[in-house]
Amino acid sequence: AQSVTQPDIHITVSEGASLELRCNYSYGATPYLFWYVQSPGQGLQLLLKYFSGDTLVQGIKGFEAEFKRSQSSFNLRKPSVHWSDAAEYFCAVTYQKVTFGTGTKLQVIP
Amino acid sequence: DTGVSQDPRHKITKRGQNVTFRCDPISEHNRLYWYRQTLGQGPEFLTYFQNEAQLEKSRLLSDRFSAERPKGSFSTLEIQRTEQGDSAMYLCASRKEPGSGKLFFGSGTQLSVL
Repeated sequence: AQSVTQPDIHITVSEGASLELRCNYSYGATPYLFWYVQSPGQGLQLLLKYFSGDTLVQGIKGFEAEFKRSQSSFNLRKPSVHWSDAAEYFCAVTYQKVTFGTGTKLQVIP
Repeated sequence: DTGVSQDPRHKITKRGQNVTFRCDPISEHNRLYWYRQTLGQGPEFLTYFQNEAQLEKSRLLSDRFSAERPKGSFSTLEIQRTEQGDSAMYLCASRKEPGSGKLFFGSGTQLSVL
């Protein structure tokens, strides 16, 4: 069965600092991987996705993620965090039925 | 596009009552998904449709839950004999298949069972 693990429930970073959110997946075939963001009172928005090809994918709002098959990971990164990035971030796996992780809540301090 | 629309935005009901939610997907999207989300958790898959066909239903889903998409456009999710544990945000999402894989989510229906 497919599953997604986001080990960090809550992360706090200073504005301007770099960010890395961890995601590990379990899936029996080549996975399709996604990162979504959910702001308070807002719907889920796709940040980026990986289907195949280049293992480093670029997304919206300056985010990127790297697929590492050997580690079953798809970590999300941003070199410099903005206060508006405070939100909850969800990693998700597969294509037909999308399975989400439990999320990482990001707090940004001035 | 006008986005995915869900109605109502909020629903308060008493335990044991039936409730029905509606989702209107983006018009050209043939795939429609229902998820449930509780506080501090990620969206939990409930079911999905390809046009009017229900292709998969979560094994965790009680028989009290039923979903339809009769004409391959809008969908309804009904919960019979609601329980307090059903309180959650119910999310609908749609996409085009084949396509980019991107899910477009509605704003959800917040259900509170008293």
